[in-house]
Amino acid sequence: QQQVKQSPQSLIVQKGGISIINCAYENTAFDYFPWYQQFPGKGPALLIAIRPDVSEKKEGRFTISFNKSAKQFSLHIMDSQPGDSATYFCAASIYGNTGKLIFGQGTTLQVKP
Amino acid sequence: NAGVTQTPKFQVLKTGQSMTLQCAQDMNHEYMSWYRQDPGMGLRLIHYSVGAGITDQGEVPNGYNVSRSTTEDFPLRLLSAAPSQTSVYFCASSTGTLPGYGYTFGSGTRLTVV
Repeated sequence: QQQVKQSPQSLIVQKGGISIINCAYENTAFDYFPWYQQFPGKGPALLIAIRPDVSEKKEGRFTISFNKSAKQFSLHIMDSQPGDSATYFCAASIYGNTGKLIFGQGTTLQVKP
Repeated sequence: NAGVTQTPKFQVLKTGQSMTLQCAQDMNHEYMSWYRQDPGMGLRLIHYSVGAGITDQGEVPNGYNVSRSTTEDFPLRLLSAAPSQTSVYFCASSTGTLPGYGYTFGSGTRLTVV
């Protein structure tokens, strides 16, 4: 059973457009939701994270939107650039047990010039 | 500052062989984890540790053993390799404290079992 479901599997966006990746979770005990970015041949790197006490968090062109009642959260990449082309993973864990970080299936983003 | 170091980077095993994937971090992080990455499956947690001497199972622990005798090292042992264990393996570490709880990942070990 996949505890964190991510969509779409792949995404193609034109330069300057908005990229949106969605995730849904099952376990209501999850209360830490990070996003990771992975370039080919590299390990994932933390991009941005949110706790459920806020509905939105923004860092530069990257924004997480969080809907606790729907058990969904999403990543928005504004003004997408070719350098943003990578695989993005959402994840979730329980506060105080963040060693058990569960990832979604990943979204491969291609930003066309 | 080396971060998280994984060795080897590539490995080919024959079915039934055993091996140990090494992971070391020099950031004094308490939390360490092993993930495997397969196409379309994302990153799946194999085992994790919240400190020296403490380990626990993740989502896909069968066929793998871990131990954490020191804060720095968290080796992953494949007891009897199977083709289904062909994957890219990532080790990660974290302070486990706010802010961010962010995991730092190693560069991965690409394992092929034939």
